[in-house]
Amino acid sequence: QITLRESAPTLVRPTQTLTLTCTFSGFSLTTSGVSVSWMRQPPREALEWLALIYWNDEKYYSPSLRSRLTVTKDTSKNQVVLTMTNMDPVDTATYYCAHRCSRTTCYGVDWLDPWGQGTLVTVSS
Amino acid sequence: EIVLTQSPATLSLSPGERATLSCRASQSISNYLAWYQQKPGQAPRLLIYDASNRATGIPGRFTGSGSGTDFTLTISSLEPEDFAVYYCQQRSTWPLTFGGGTKVEIK
Repeated sequence: QITLRESAPTLVRPTQTLTLTCTFSGFSLTTSGVSVSWMRQPPREALEWLALIYWNDEKYYSPSLRSRLTVTKDTSKNQVVLTMTNMDPVDTATYYCAHRCSRTTCYGVDWLDPWGQGTLVTVSS
Repeated sequence: EIVLTQSPATLSLSPGERATLSCRASQSISNYLAWYQQKPGQAPRLLIYDASNRATGIPGRFTGSGSGTDFTLTISSLEPEDFAVYYCQQRSTWPLTFGGGTKVEIK
């Protein structure tokens, strides 16, 4: 069974850097085809994709946030970390991570499945 | 960036009725489209992938169709647990993008 869980501080001050951690089980980020994505959802708004990291360390970012995001993986800890710099109140959102399998070498489909429960981050002074 | 436009924004229906949700892409995405369901306070759940394939455990009343730029999610007969927000998402081109969502509410 694949599970993911996001963790982060609940409150971040403007201009600070946010560090989000996705801890997962049921798969390995050393398996060919596996990736983990990050998304966010401001209160009462739609979903927004942020970043993705593949098993081979290939990375993709949202163009609008590219300058502020860095995604890394720690395969020994089964974790993916997303850092977002220069936080602003508009970045207040629930942040999610999700698994994806893009090859026949891994289990699952080439879509965001499953998702973690999400973690709410509020940016306020 | 591919823009996905969902319509209507809100659909007010009664249990047992048929729901038809639309997702239109700003350019052709072949069949690289998925639908997710999100209930209040919960994470999104994959319903349909590759435009028409039901994800594991998804009931047969959910049907996806379409290709190119126009896609439809149909719920044949609404159950009480189907009242939620539905999002479409494409993976044809980076960046991945989502539609703005359709809320299916009880009339």
